[in-house]
Amino acid sequence: QKEVEQDPGPLSVPEGAIVSLNCTYSNSAFQYFMWYRQYSRKGPELLMYTYSSGNKEDGRFTAQVDKSSKYISLFIRDSQPSDSATYLCAMSGSFGNEKLTFGTGTRLTIIP
Amino acid sequence: EPEVTQTPSHQVTQMGQEVILRCVPISNHLYFYWYRQILGQKVEFLVSFYNNEISEKSEIFDDQFSVERPDGSNFTLKIRSTKLEDSAMYFCASSRSSQETQYFGPGTRLLVL
Repeated sequence: QKEVEQDPGPLSVPEGAIVSLNCTYSNSAFQYFMWYRQYSRKGPELLMYTYSSGNKEDGRFTAQVDKSSKYISLFIRDSQPSDSATYLCAMSGSFGNEKLTFGTGTRLTIIP
Repeated sequence: EPEVTQTPSHQVTQMGQEVILRCVPISNHLYFYWYRQILGQKVEFLVSFYNNEISEKSEIFDDQFSVERPDGSNFTLKIRSTKLEDSAMYFCASSRSSQETQYFGPGTRLLVL
């Protein structure tokens, strides 16, 4: 079983729709959860960062973590064509475990 | 807004040659990382570096790889004898602490022929 599983897509939705992106993980040591956005041939850009279970909101983006189910989500409201990118979930462990473990990324296209 | 920068943006080299990839992390950051992404695959951790020494390295980071912080601003990744399978996008990242998020540079695309 892979440490982090993420549906690679591609996912296409119409402009204005709510997008739901998800990752599951198997390693209970993961304590920090991040979502990065990556445009083609560019570096990952940090979107959201959460530590505890629950929801965290930032503008049109909401990150959700359920540690009991080992499941994280990113919701995008009122999706825009500029949101078209690959979305990567990433995780890291507790203090002293610094590396990020990434999912494969979900390729998202918002159709105008 | 401060950002991580990387040079060169593209590098083409012959198999067996040495390459040095350069990074300038965000100025008040203390932790430095290299990741790579083979085309179509996920981003993979290579090495982390703190206080002038390697903190952690992956299985990928074998004796052909080395990292260095030669001065107060640069952070380099050296591949001594490149192989075809080293062709990938290499990302440098930095963070202010090991508990804080990592910020990534734009990457260097390495092609080994």
